[in-house]
Amino acid sequence: DVKVTQSSRYLVKRTGEKVFLECVQDMDHENMFWYRQDPGLGLRLIYFSYDVKMKEKGDIPEGYSVSREKKERFSLILESASTNQTSMYLCASTTTREQYFGPGTRLTVT
Amino acid sequence: GEDVEQSLFLSVREGDSSVINCTYTDSSSTYLYWYKQEPGAGLQLLTYIFSNMDMKQDQRLTVLLNKKDKHLSLRIADTQTGDSAIYFCAESPGNTGKLIFGQGTTLQVKP
Repeated sequence: DVKVTQSSRYLVKRTGEKVFLECVQDMDHENMFWYRQDPGLGLRLIYFSYDVKMKEKGDIPEGYSVSREKKERFSLILESASTNQTSMYLCASTTTREQYFGPGTRLTVT
Repeated sequence: GEDVEQSLFLSVREGDSSVINCTYTDSSSTYLYWYKQEPGAGLQLLTYIFSNMDMKQDQRLTVLLNKKDKHLSLRIADTQTGDSAIYFCAESPGNTGKLIFGQGTTLQVKP
């Protein structure tokens, strides 16, 4: 079974803090993705990566950066958290046909 | 541009059939997907259909694809309270691996 894990289920941070969200997959997938989920908007793609040290902007990259130093790990970074980044963050790892999602991190920025 | 549209809410009685509809815009998508999200959980892949198929059946689930109208539907037969969840339709434009999701349809199953 493919396992995608995320470092935290719930996180509360203050405005202006630097936030790291970690995602790890155990199936040697090359492609990994970060989405945010907001009610009524579905999932929106923030960043994705097709290989180690490679990254591509998704639809809403502003305010975020990513790091992929190892194949199994894809990190999402909020350089200076803001209240409008309060959301559910979902990581995914993919074959050519299927995407496998982690359980999500619910981030609250106060 | 790429866009996927779903209605936001559907309510059915236990034992009835549920039909969740979706429209998409990108005809280059090789696969179209249905995901389920239970409260507090991540997304679970329910099923997907290859774009050259019209229908796919998997136990209580039936997916219908109308390529001409770019319309996808998910039918759940004999809907149970455990089927209450948010259902997302998604397309994969250009086969890049990234998915474009609809807004999600909340299915409420009344006993």
